[in-house]
Amino acid sequence: EAQVTQNPRYLITVTGKKLTVTCSQNMNHEYMSWYRQDPGLGLRQIYYSMNVEVTDKGDVPEGYKVSRKEKRNFPLILESPSPNQTSLYFCASSFELAGGYEQYFGPGTRLTVT
Amino acid sequence: AQKVTQAQTEISVVEKEDVTLDCVYETRDTTYYLFWYKQPPSGELVFLIRRNSFDEQNEISGRYSWNFQKSTSSFNFTITASQVVDSAVYFCALKRSGTGGFKTIFGAGTRLFVKA
Repeated sequence: EAQVTQNPRYLITVTGKKLTVTCSQNMNHEYMSWYRQDPGLGLRQIYYSMNVEVTDKGDVPEGYKVSRKEKRNFPLILESPSPNQTSLYFCASSFELAGGYEQYFGPGTRLTVT
Repeated sequence: AQKVTQAQTEISVVEKEDVTLDCVYETRDTTYYLFWYKQPPSGELVFLIRRNSFDEQNEISGRYSWNFQKSTSSFNFTITASQVVDSAVYFCALKRSGTGGFKTIFGAGTRLFVKA
């Protein structure tokens, strides 16, 4: 089954404790992105990757890191989480098909930083 | 600046009513892509439609239709004869092209309640 998986789905952590949210897709997509969803703000792009070893900032990259060492994986790293990073996080993958770039989303990771 | 505005925060309708969700975008790019996504109460995000900036054809898919007008920078979404299962948050999104890489901007979303 074609899918984007994220782990963990739920995470409660404390300020400053490094964490990684994994994202994996099995569709051989070139493009991958991380978003955070906050009430009233919609989804905001954190980072995206256009292929292996090619990453770039989205609109809200501060406090986050990413890497793309393999095509299927795109982990999101919070080296020193803070309470303002409490949010719902989505990973997505995409490819170019007939001039379109629709995204396929993972199930989301709800992160709480206390 | 790139921006997507969904001015309707919440809409409530009764089943079988028609409803239009508005989306207005701003971009300086000559080539760009527009999308609608649905987020039902279960939380997943589901792709509904995309439109390229060079293709202004409107589209109908069952009870769903989309009206893309470059002249007014709008990409509105209409649900005809709404059903309870249409209750969800709907997001409009704009993807840049060229030097914009894969930057994608989402609107704040419109929450649609369809009452039986």
